[in-house]
Amino acid sequence: GQQVMQIPQYQHVQEGEDFTTYCNSSTTLSNIQWYKQRPGGHPVFLIQLVKSGEVKKQKRLTFQFGEAKKNSSLHITATQTTDVGTYFCAGRLTGGFKTIFGAGTRLFVKA
Amino acid sequence: GAVVSQHPSWVICKSGTSVKIECRSLDFQATTMFWYRQFPKQSLMLMATSNEGSKATYEQGVEKDKFLINHASLTLSTLTVTSAHPEDSSFYICSARDRTGGGLIGQPQHFGDGTRLSIL
Repeated sequence: GQQVMQIPQYQHVQEGEDFTTYCNSSTTLSNIQWYKQRPGGHPVFLIQLVKSGEVKKQKRLTFQFGEAKKNSSLHITATQTTDVGTYFCAGRLTGGFKTIFGAGTRLFVKA
Repeated sequence: GAVVSQHPSWVICKSGTSVKIECRSLDFQATTMFWYRQFPKQSLMLMATSNEGSKATYEQGVEKDKFLINHASLTLSTLTVTSAHPEDSSFYICSARDRTGGGLIGQPQHFGDGTRLSIL
């Protein structure tokens, strides 16, 4: 069935280091969304990418959507302790209403 | 910003009882609401998609008679776990998609704070 694979599962970084999480879909997506979930909290919407090859930036976060609209990445420059949490991608399947979440990447930042 | 209220936040009950969880969009209308189950340190598992005024669409493997979903209005959806058993203990979280705003491509989902269900 349709899947959205997300790697890595966990990432430990020293504060100030960069971090990247990747999502790959088995099928073409109409869009991809990124969410952040803090420990004990609920997912919070970060951004939505729609166009092939799209790149968007939010301060230290850079989001990319692949040319084939099957993969995406989230890159955080110079991580801070406030970046701690789990980052999920969610791909919306082309032609339908179904959104599939990746397994999430849990980010640990050591001060 | 868009707010989704989920109630109750925590419930403990005896095995065999039914539990109702409410999900409300407070400042927007949601034609579509989603119900997820999340196990510790794991991703969200979509249980069902509910559209206002119509029957919910359940994901494969989710028992529709066990998890009753009602989406009676554009701001309220309920999930009832019927005859709950310890294996139903989990974190249930709803989300709602705003009906307003751009185009044919889906809007982001706004999540409630979740309900921690513990069945003794």
